[in-house]
Amino acid sequence: AQSVTQPDIHITVSEGASLELRCNYSYGATPYLFWYVQSPGQGLQLLLKYFSGDTLVQGIKGFEAEFKRSQSSFNLRKPSVHWSDAAEYFCAVGGNRDDKIIFGKGTRLHILP
Amino acid sequence: EPEVTQTPSHQVTQMGQEVILRCVPISNHLYFYWYRQILGQKVEFLVSFYNNEISEKSEIFDDQFSVERPDGSNFTLKIRSTKLEDSAMYFCASRDSRGAFFGQGTRLTVV
Repeated sequence: AQSVTQPDIHITVSEGASLELRCNYSYGATPYLFWYVQSPGQGLQLLLKYFSGDTLVQGIKGFEAEFKRSQSSFNLRKPSVHWSDAAEYFCAVGGNRDDKIIFGKGTRLHILP
Repeated sequence: EPEVTQTPSHQVTQMGQEVILRCVPISNHLYFYWYRQILGQKVEFLVSFYNNEISEKSEIFDDQFSVERPDGSNFTLKIRSTKLEDSAMYFCASRDSRGAFFGQGTRLTVV
């Protein structure tokens, strides 16, 4: 069965510190992997995606993620967070074409000044 | 940058009433979806739509729900007789090879 696990419900980091948000997935075929960010009361913004090729993908706002097939992981990273990065982050997995996308429960990121 | 647009942004309705949530997907996208997010909870898949028909639906998407693409541009979600537990944020998404793009959502409040 398809599933996404984000083991950390909340993460707090200091502004300027590095960040890693964890994501593990279960998917029967070649996965399409996504990270979305949601600010309070707002929609879901696509940060980055992995379909194939280079396993380290770059996204918007200085984020990157690394696909590790052996670990079924797709962790999100940022070298130096900004206060504006405080939001909820969702990892998601799907297949190609019209296959539905399944979301993890999200990780809420808090930034200390 | 093309985007998915949803209207209205907020809808309040009485229990038992019908509501229609509207979405304009990104032009040239072929795959469309509705998701919902109950306050503070995860984003849940409702239905996917391709080639003018439902390609998959979740167990949440019961007979109370229907989707339609009436005019080749709009993509609507109808809830026939709303219940209190239908209160949630509803997101529309459309997809191409670059990924799945979501609208800003419609917050539905059933009173």
